[in-house]
Amino acid sequence: DTGVSQDPRHKITKRGQNVTFRCDPISEHNRLYWYRQTLGQGPEFLTYFQNEAQLEKSRLLSDRFSAERPKGSFSTLEIQRTEQGDSAMYLCASSFWTLNTGELFFGEGSRLTVL
Amino acid sequence: AQTVTQSQPEMSVQEAETVTLSCTYDTSESDYYLFWYKQPPSRQMILVIRQEAYKQQNATENRFSVNFQKAAKSFSLKISDSQLGDAAMYFCAYRSAQGAQKLVFGQGTRLTINP
Repeated sequence: DTGVSQDPRHKITKRGQNVTFRCDPISEHNRLYWYRQTLGQGPEFLTYFQNEAQLEKSRLLSDRFSAERPKGSFSTLEIQRTEQGDSAMYLCASSFWTLNTGELFFGEGSRLTVL
Repeated sequence: AQTVTQSQPEMSVQEAETVTLSCTYDTSESDYYLFWYKQPPSRQMILVIRQEAYKQQNATENRFSVNFQKAAKSFSLKISDSQLGDAAMYFCAYRSAQGAQKLVFGQGTRLTINP
């Protein structure tokens, strides 16, 4: 399968624990986005990378959240000291940025439940 | 900041009938893209149809078409000959032609197809 893959698909953790999600984009895609989606809502932008550079972070991304994309390939999203409000689906998307449309391709998401 | 509003949390349609999902958006930009994404239960979001703001002609993709009214900032999706596989959450999304090109999503409309 050559689509966007995310791991793990489901994560249950206790409040205060750290969690890390991984996203493997489509191989030739140079842009990678992280979104958060809560139940019954549309996805909200968190951050994005062009190659290995993190170019924008939403104000939703508190200092407990950190994202990396070493070598411009896969990306990780870490949440430290999780809170119940962090429970959500974390979506990764990738695109090949051009001056034109640059369609985003989404993974199936990583669902986080904080107890 | 751009906003996207979907005023219909849920819609239902009989199989083989036509349904229209509504979307309005707010922006001060003149160059942008609009999208409809489909999110089936527990599956990844996929692109249904895309509209470039500079194009006056409404986009069509097989049974899916849009009614793009730029002055009214309206972007509705029409699904003709509805099929059971069309059942999903549908999200309207806006993307600037400049900058991060991140998607701004509406709240979504849950579409049910009645056999």
